[in-house]
Amino acid sequence: DAKTTQPTSMDCAEGRAANLPCNHSTISGNEYVYWYRQIHSQGPQYIIHGLKNNETNEMASLIITEDRKSSTLILPHATLRDTAVYYCIVSPLQAAGNKLTFGGGTRVLVKP
Amino acid sequence: NAGVMQNPRHLVRRRGQEARLRCSPMKGHSHVYWYRQLPEEGLKFMVYLQKENIIDESGMPKERFSAEFPKEGPSILRIQQVVRGDSAAYFCASSPPNQGANTEAFFGQGTRLTVV
Repeated sequence: DAKTTQPTSMDCAEGRAANLPCNHSTISGNEYVYWYRQIHSQGPQYIIHGLKNNETNEMASLIITEDRKSSTLILPHATLRDTAVYYCIVSPLQAAGNKLTFGGGTRVLVKP
Repeated sequence: NAGVMQNPRHLVRRRGQEARLRCSPMKGHSHVYWYRQLPEEGLKFMVYLQKENIIDESGMPKERFSAEFPKEGPSILRIQQVVRGDSAAYFCASSPPNQGANTEAFFGQGTRLTVV
């Protein structure tokens, strides 16, 4: 599986957009980019995923560069409840179901 | 539609005892995954099961750990003769059968095992 690199931590002001970068320069053509987050003491929560096109849902937007070597998760209006560890994961299509390889993630602190 | 249900939420065991962790996947989901999160670390994949079959157990420790997903009932992660190093949060996730594209996994709230 391709590895990902994320900043260890970042702060964000409440109400502002949070832009979380992820580098996945060794991604293969059939690998999706997934984002999950883990709020303290809870199970991971799916946010969004994409292959090569930008994606948007009610939680966030995912911007994937044209060469697919990096992506950015955008939380448009961060709230205090968005404080969590955010994981960027690349996963091969149809490989062992949804076996996910979690890295260290980015610890996001949303401040008032 | 209830989410992925794990019980117990907290489990305390003495060294040498057995721990049984249960996971009921979401309705309609036939794939179950177990992950372990040691204190201050990320989640590590342990095992992937479908009904009555272990598909991938590459992350399972070679001894004392086993998992099953019977035809009826929840998936069970069993840890025999627990040691202090088994203290961790154990998360279960489920997903529906693949239908031509990757789908998201839904996680339970975890079971926090403490070995004393």
